[in-house]
Amino acid sequence: KAGVTQTPRYLIKTRGQQVTLSCSPISGHRSVSWYQQTPGQGLQFLFEYFSETQRNKGNFPGRFSGRQFSNSRSEMNVSTLELGDSALYLCASSLAGTEQFFGPGTRLTVL
Amino acid sequence: GEDVEQSLFLSVREGDSSVINCTYTDSSSTYLYWYKQEPGAGLQLLTYIFSNMDMKQDQRLTVLLNKKDKHLSLRIADTQTGDSAIYFCAESGANNLFFGTGTRLTVIP
Repeated sequence: KAGVTQTPRYLIKTRGQQVTLSCSPISGHRSVSWYQQTPGQGLQFLFEYFSETQRNKGNFPGRFSGRQFSNSRSEMNVSTLELGDSALYLCASSLAGTEQFFGPGTRLTVL
Repeated sequence: GEDVEQSLFLSVREGDSSVINCTYTDSSSTYLYWYKQEPGAGLQLLTYIFSNMDMKQDQRLTVLLNKKDKHLSLRIADTQTGDSAIYFCAESGANNLFFGTGTRLTVIP
């Protein structure tokens, strides 16, 4: 069974631009969560989607948004990029919420 | 809010046992997890324990949970150089996980 895939793996953007990251969960998994990982703040929860509905949201500004499609694939969008948004963005999928399986991440660099 | 703490570094010799410790604050967490992250990679789920269990063993891995003290530990037996990585403990929230800072394990050949 294929794991969680994330595209692209690497991105370089400049301040003020926007970016869209994509996540394809493990087949059959309907829950997708997003996390931001930075050296200073560690791993922080962004949001979680289940069957196209956002069930939970972390403490991030409204520039961070997401959505989930009917095939469970998810995208997250960051608008008006800031230098501090440089991070590894990780997506995780889950079947029943107990075990979350992570993708390899998208490394975003904001210049 | 939830606060999960780990020591930052641990060094062990190849073949010895490693013990990585974690303390958490939310006594209502249903599950507690251990993840491994190698350089440039995502998080790999190693094992998890239900909050009403004291111990779980899975091959070289042993998880101990002291719910009274809110203390979780991961013991890796016969540590190998391939075990060098950052290890995160996490507690379950409402459809999300709260992670510790991570412990960087260095295995000395």
